[in-house]
Amino acid sequence: GESVGLHLPTLSVQEGDNSIINCAYSNSASDYFIWYKQESGKGPQFIIDIRSNMDKRQGQRVTVLLNKTVKHLSLQIAATQPGDSAVYFCAESPPPNTGTASKLTFGTGTRLQVTL
Amino acid sequence: SQTIHQWPATLVQPVGSPLSLECTVEGTSNPNLYWYRQAAGRGLQLLFYSVGIGQISSEVPQNLSASRPQDRQFILSSKKLLLSDSGFYLCALGRYNSPLHFGNGTRLTVT
Repeated sequence: GESVGLHLPTLSVQEGDNSIINCAYSNSASDYFIWYKQESGKGPQFIIDIRSNMDKRQGQRVTVLLNKTVKHLSLQIAATQPGDSAVYFCAESPPPNTGTASKLTFGTGTRLQVTL
Repeated sequence: SQTIHQWPATLVQPVGSPLSLECTVEGTSNPNLYWYRQAAGRGLQLLFYSVGIGQISSEVPQNLSASRPQDRQFILSSKKLLLSDSGFYLCALGRYNSPLHFGNGTRLTVT
């Protein structure tokens, strides 16, 4: 699929362990952040988001942490499963100058490999 | 619920040929629509977005153009493809402060 690449950083974890995927963002004006999961040959799928007035948000088996001081975002996946194997992207968005259009900027992605 | 249709799923075109990729959406009206491109092993790059019929904003100067002839239709075109146009093209809908939803993309290979 299009998310496959020779130079993607890869995180290998055993089934059942917790995974932590990190992301450094670049724009200090960004106030909205999203994590996406992309499986081979498919479009990115929304996982969880967080706004800059929060530093932690939890979903089902996933937690996103935001550290605005160092412009760092992380995604934690609890009890990782084989179905979690995919490429994970963080994305950031500053507020638009005008209107409602979103200008998401994506990171380069991290491949998560879950071993049995 | 909102649905994004993209076709074709895969496309192989020779250098210099024209291109037309179509995206249609269902389950929403007056959506903001986006075209992204993903090169192998990389993140997504925003190419164009549209906030309404006939309104196109270009983010990156390139060999491509976009049009929005109808509220729920967004088209990506080229008059003459280059090798560097190869990639995975994704249509998305959404607005600021909410997650964009993506279609399943078109894989374009220019030979």
